[in-house]
Amino acid sequence: QVQLQESGPGLVKPSQTLSLTCTVSGGSISSGDYYWSWIRQHPVRGLEWIGYIYYSGSTSYNPSLKSRVTISIDTSKNQFSLKLTSVTAADTAMFFCARESLLWGDYTVIDYWGQGTLVTVSS
Amino acid sequence: QTVVTQEPSLTVSPGGTVTLTCASSTGAVTSSSHPNWFQQKPGQAPRALIYSTTNTLSWTPARFSGSLLGGKAALTLSGVQPEDEADYYCLLYYGGSQRVFGGGTKLTVL
Repeated sequence: QVQLQESGPGLVKPSQTLSLTCTVSGGSISSGDYYWSWIRQHPVRGLEWIGYIYYSGSTSYNPSLKSRVTISIDTSKNQFSLKLTSVTAADTAMFFCARESLLWGDYTVIDYWGQGTLVTVSS
Repeated sequence: QTVVTQEPSLTVSPGGTVTLTCASSTGAVTSSSHPNWFQQKPGQAPRALIYSTTNTLSWTPARFSGSLLGGKAALTLSGVQPEDEADYYCLLYYGGSQRVFGGGTKLTVL
């Protein structure tokens, strides 16, 4: 059974870069059957899809975050990562990594999630 | 910016039936939006229940079903159990690669 685990600092200062890593176990991140995604959950604004990466390195990002987001992949470590630059208090959220199983075309089902990691932006 | 709207809260009696809906600011929700539904309990990650409007996953209880209803995506729970008390989120796909979550429905079983 695939498992995902987020890791990274729980506290980031305003204007700095938030960096998180997701380690995948129980399956290969190099499979062409999945996208690997980041999703965040604000206390008030709910769930927000951030973006995904494919094993080949191709990505897709939420247009509202695209200028600040980079998702990368390290197939040798079975990990993928998120960087979010120029953070503010509004970026405080629970961050989840997740697996999206490809169905047809670009459509997926987000079938496995990590447990989430809380990131607070504060000085 | 696309907004996906759900009922903020609903209450249902044990054993009853309840339908949650999911609307899009861009117009009627159709199967081409591939509606997905997720359940989230306190302290847990969301768990997928329904994908592509009507399809269930191996862990989805039989009492959960998805459909399209009056231009919206719908999630129906039939024979509600106390353990179904949770937050429910829909997800719609726009242009294939973009995904937008609804604001969530807090379901109370009372």
